[in-house]
Amino acid sequence: EDQVTQSPEALRLQEGESSSLNCSYTVSGLRGLFWYRQDPGKGPEFLFTLYSAGEEKEKERLKATLTKKESFLHITAPKPEDSATYLCAVRTYNNNDMRFGAGTRLTVKP
Amino acid sequence: GAGVSQTPSNKVTEKGKYVELRCDPISGHTALYWYRQSLGQGPEFLIYFQGTGAADDSGLPNDRFFAVRPEGSVSTLKIQRTERGDSAVYLCASSLTGKETQYFGPGTRLLVL
Repeated sequence: EDQVTQSPEALRLQEGESSSLNCSYTVSGLRGLFWYRQDPGKGPEFLFTLYSAGEEKEKERLKATLTKKESFLHITAPKPEDSATYLCAVRTYNNNDMRFGAGTRLTVKP
Repeated sequence: GAGVSQTPSNKVTEKGKYVELRCDPISGHTALYWYRQSLGQGPEFLIYFQGTGAADDSGLPNDRFFAVRPEGSVSTLKIQRTERGDSAVYLCASSLTGKETQYFGPGTRLLVL
């Protein structure tokens, strides 16, 4: 069965303290891996799609990378406004839906 | 341009009542998805529409849940005989045909008392 596991569940950083979030996946036939950001009381906001191992995508302070077993979301010099829950999801060739992890709740303190 | 919209934003109902949740996808998006999100969890798939037809309803938990998309645009998720366990955030997403990226609406927060 397809599985997506995110770690850590929660992460507290000081402003400017870089770190990484992990998304481990076990799927048959990866079609794409997605990162979303979700603020409290709002729907997930799309960040990145990665399709193949070795691929990297960047947006401002965020960089997403992909291997055959996991993806990392690197946050460089975070700011308080980066505080949110970051969700990872996978889509396979066998399914129409996205399978989400439980998310990492990031808090960046000034 | 306008994103995915959902109404109502909040719905409080009593156990056993019927509720309807509405989703307006991004204009031109033919694929529409419903997900359910419980507190502290990621969204869980319910149903997928391609055009007017339900292409995959494998995520619907039981026959109390039903969804329609009669004209291939707006969709309504219908829940009969609501139970307290149905309390969650119901999310709608849409995407272009053949495109992978799904864009989400703000969700409807359903509370069953």
